[in-house]
Amino acid sequence: GAGVSQSPSNKVTEKGKDVELRCDPISGHTALYWYRQSLGQGLEFLIYFQGNSAPDKSGLPSDRFSAERTGGSVSTLTIQRTQQEDSAVYLCASRDTGGFTEAFFGQGTRLTVV
Amino acid sequence: GDSVTQMEGPVTLSEEAFLTINCTYTATGYPSLFWYVQYPGEGLQLLLKATKADDKGSNKGFEATYRKETTSFHLEKGSVQVSDSAVYFCALSDRGSARQLTFGSGTQLTVLP
Repeated sequence: GAGVSQSPSNKVTEKGKDVELRCDPISGHTALYWYRQSLGQGLEFLIYFQGNSAPDKSGLPSDRFSAERTGGSVSTLTIQRTQQEDSAVYLCASRDTGGFTEAFFGQGTRLTVV
Repeated sequence: GDSVTQMEGPVTLSEEAFLTINCTYTATGYPSLFWYVQYPGEGLQLLLKATKADDKGSNKGFEATYRKETTSFHLEKGSVQVSDSAVYFCALSDRGSARQLTFGSGTQLTVLP
């Protein structure tokens, strides 16, 4: 596609429910990142996928968070048993690692846990 | 590991003032350097980049020069506008690191009319 697409753009969920956030990267980009951005804060790294390699999950804050990337393309970030502190904007980025190229970001999913 | 340190915010300036946001880095390899901008309610977008020492990236009146000797990539603009109000992130891309992409903590800029 023309850019990185994230859905939904906004999600309001009740505490304790599970949510799935979707990221469609730019076609052909082998690297995909998930970040979390709380209000007024910087980027918190969550997880990194690179091709067929095992993902770098070192940023996932708890075992309630998981992510997968199917067929080297679409990625889904799942948060189980959501808590109020999970409220944030979740940003996805993709990158072509064939050179020293920049990452392209989606518009983000704003998650609100009530 | 790699790291990016940028000037603490928030920064508040009057319109037409000169802007500098400092950024320094450490990297295991020879990185490319980037500045991203995030306008309110939006994702990050690339503002400018530089891929080798002494390169100057520029866009929309913003400039930054890749200084290998001081490991710096400071962002400058000669005359800011209200529309420049945003959060600015310095970042590096380094093939020598496992994650290959590292961001600074961001600097909030507010420009007053």
